[in-house]
Amino acid sequence: NAGVTQTPKFQVLKTGQSMTLQCAQDMNHEYMSWYRQDPGMGLRLIHYSVGAGITDQGEVPNGYNVSRSTTEDFPLRLLSAAPSQTSVYFCASSPDRGLFQPQHFGDGTRLSIL
Amino acid sequence: AQSVSQHNHHVILSEAASLELGCNYSYGGTVNLFWYVQYPGQHLQLLLKYFSGDPLVKGIKGFEAEFIKSKFSFNLRKPSVQWSDTAEYFCAVNAYRGTASKLTFGTGTRLQVTL
Repeated sequence: NAGVTQTPKFQVLKTGQSMTLQCAQDMNHEYMSWYRQDPGMGLRLIHYSVGAGITDQGEVPNGYNVSRSTTEDFPLRLLSAAPSQTSVYFCASSPDRGLFQPQHFGDGTRLSIL
Repeated sequence: AQSVSQHNHHVILSEAASLELGCNYSYGGTVNLFWYVQYPGQHLQLLLKYFSGDPLVKGIKGFEAEFIKSKFSFNLRKPSVQWSDTAEYFCAVNAYRGTASKLTFGTGTRLQVTL
């Protein structure tokens, strides 16, 4: 059971560069989400998806794009990286869109923007 | 909008001491409540959850939490902590809105258990 797989684990970018953080789950989960974790601020929801072709914004969506072309994959795109996006990013999935089942989290991607 | 407050940011306890971490939320409707734990260098793992029924819920590793609706609280407790409980603890609330849910996390409490 791979669960939720995030790649890469670490990345350093220069301001203005773009990149995609990958997230894949093999549990056929309907609900997927991206969070960023910053010291003293807990986890904040960036974007989420309740199924293929359906995405919506969370608390802090600016500067990020997502798409959900398949049930398994939910990539997060940084269009033009900024130092304020330095953070640890977690992808999570859940079997149901109501989140009555708890989310399974990936191991995270530590991203530094110089 | 829903929000979650964890007032204890950093707690230091000796092994065998009792633990209580506070969690308060603001939302007037039906909520589901969770406590997650993040051990150093690891991802979040579910400790326990409350959906309905008995307001005292038991989770893994001897943790429990009590939902007090009148106080909008969901405090986490453990009678006797161990060094291995050193971690960051997050309270989260899910306010289901009929089509999809968003989980709102508190800012976390860092627990340090000393020998």
